[in-house]
Amino acid sequence: GQQLNQSPQSMFIQEGEDVSMNCTSSSIFNTWLWYKQDPGEGPVLLIALYKAGELTSNGRLTAQFGITRKDSFLNISASIPSDVGIYFCVPVSLHRNQFYFGTGTSLTVIP
Amino acid sequence: DADVTQTPRNRITKTGKRIMLECSQTKGHDRMYWYRQDPGLGLRLIYYSFDVKDINKGEISDGYSVSRQAQAKFSLSLESAIPNQTALYFCATSRGRYNEQFFGPGTRLTVL
Repeated sequence: GQQLNQSPQSMFIQEGEDVSMNCTSSSIFNTWLWYKQDPGEGPVLLIALYKAGELTSNGRLTAQFGITRKDSFLNISASIPSDVGIYFCVPVSLHRNQFYFGTGTSLTVIP
Repeated sequence: DADVTQTPRNRITKTGKRIMLECSQTKGHDRMYWYRQDPGLGLRLIYYSFDVKDINKGEISDGYSVSRQAQAKFSLSLESAIPNQTALYFCATSRGRYNEQFFGPGTRLTVL
């Protein structure tokens, strides 16, 4: 069956540091989505990637859709305390009409 | 105004009770979803609906049922609640093929 690995599981970093997290799958996907969940709230969409090789930025966030269509990464530059939360990758397969939530990367930013 | 609303926000109940969690949306989306989240874990899909006449089981549907009363309303029921159903429950909606989902604020359910 489909395997989706998101890493790292958790990160503790100093304010101002850059962050990198990634997801890899055993299957090919058409779309990769990245969500952030603030403590006590529902996830919110950060970035959507629709084409293999696509690199997209949203402020200090940058995400890429891997050329093999089996992976994606999310980078956060110059982290700040409000970056704290859980980040989820969500690959989507249109023809299989399937999507999966990664297990999440919990980010703690130390002021 | 919240686009995806969940009621109640918090609920404490006893084993064996029937519980209904409600979700309403004003986004005009056709697709609606129910997830549960356990501490330290990701979201697991319980049920989803692509339109009023379409209901599909997700990864963990056992012990749950749903009703799509209208395009804007999607309810989740626990017919006989048990303690391991204690979790945070989220409703979500999406508008199209890429499943860009918009989440409600969540319902924290405790089963004693």
